[in-house]
Parts: sequence; structure tokens; C-alpha cells
Amino acid sequence: AQTVTQSQPEMSVQEAETVTLSCTYDTSESDYYLFWYKQPPSRQMILVIRQEAYKQQNATENRFSVNFQKAAKSFSLKISDSQLGDAAMYFCAYREYGNKLVFGAGTILRVKS
Amino acid sequence: SQTIHQWPATLVQPVGSPLSLECTVEGTSNPNLYWYRQAAGRGLQLLFYSVGIGQISSEVPQNLSASRPQDRQFILSSKKLLLSDSGFYLCAWNPGGAGANVLTFGAGSRLTVL
Repeated sequence: AQTVTQSQPEMSVQEAETVTLSCTYDTSESDYYLFWYKQPPSRQMILVIRQEAYKQQNATENRFSVNFQKAAKSFSLKISDSQLGDAAMYFCAYREYGNKLVFGAGTILRVKS
Repeated sequence: SQTIHQWPATLVQPVGSPLSLECTVEGTSNPNLYWYRQAAGRGLQLLFYSVGIGQISSEVPQNLSASRPQDRQFILSSKKLLLSDSGFYLCAWNPGGAGANVLTFGAGSRLTVL
């Protein structure tokens, strides 16, 4: 089974600065999807960004971008100009065959003012 | 537009009591439906998923069961709750079909078993 590893249980960033959250995954597939979800204190899961493995260009969504390294099976999330509202738990996820998502353990992001 | 509803939002139940959590999706047909559990401070574990009425796949052996009596309704149940069933339960959906990928989640149900 595929696995997703987030090696940083917690991260902190100063407001307005940049932070990168790490994610690695294990798969033998060549075509798949990767996601970052955000879970604020309300616990609502919110899609932040997604990446299709066959696309070489890294996905970006406003202040959020990814560094997708397919050969290394690495999928990190960069948050630029961090805001207090970015404080949340962030989950990396891999889409398995059959539309199931496998999630990493999560990284708690704290934003300091 | 599509919306997903999940209830109850909070539930406190004694050990050995039954459980029923309900999830419904509006604005779409034949969705894929999922139940995830999130233990305190941890990641999400897929419990069940369904690609159609009456079609349920279980990911892990456990004290829970799922049913899909209607196209857009997904129910998580237990006959007798255990302490270890405590957690945050999330229902999710995505469109059926090979190209579908993004999961949309409900607001979650917090279950405390005492």
C-alpha cells in the first residue's frame, strides 16, 4: 500500500515570512495525484492545492506553491507571506487507485505575530 | 452547487451503546462516498468507501459498519461502542468516474465514548 510521510510534526513561522512543509510518499505508479489539505481549528478539511504527477510544472494557488520532485517522490508545500489565518494542521495526501486518498500524519503550523 | 451535510456534530455515548452518524450530499448524483476517522492530533484513516448504492468497501477491521441506503446518503453505525471508537469522524465525497480526484469533506462529527 502507498504511504505518505510528513516528517515535521510542528512548524513555526513569523507572520509575512515563508515556510515550507515537507512530504514524501511511496508508490510504484507513474500517474497519480497529490494534495495538500488544511485543517484549521474548526476541523473543516479544506483543499489547498493539488498536483497531477504527469504535469512537470509545479502547481501554485496564490501564496501557496508546491515543489514536486517526482523522482525523489517528494511533494513540499511553500507558503509565502504567511498570515495568521494560515495557522492550521496541514495534511499531505496521495490519491490511490479507486479515488481513495491516503493521508500523512499532518504538520501543525503555528504563525507568530 | 454541491453541498455535504454531516450530523450530529457532537455526540457523547456510553460504552456499549449504538451509534449512527449520517452524511448526505446534495447537488450531484452517483457520488463516491467516504468515511474517515481522525484520532486526537493524528492523521486521517479511511474506514469505508462506497461507489454506489449498497456497495461498501471496508478498509480496516473494526467495530463499525457503513451503509448506503440511497444514492447520496452514507451512514456509519455501530451496535456496541468501544472506548477506542472515540474520535473525529469525517464524511467526504467526490464525483464518480475515472477523472475524479478532489475530496470534499463534511464538517465532521466528534464522538466521545465514555
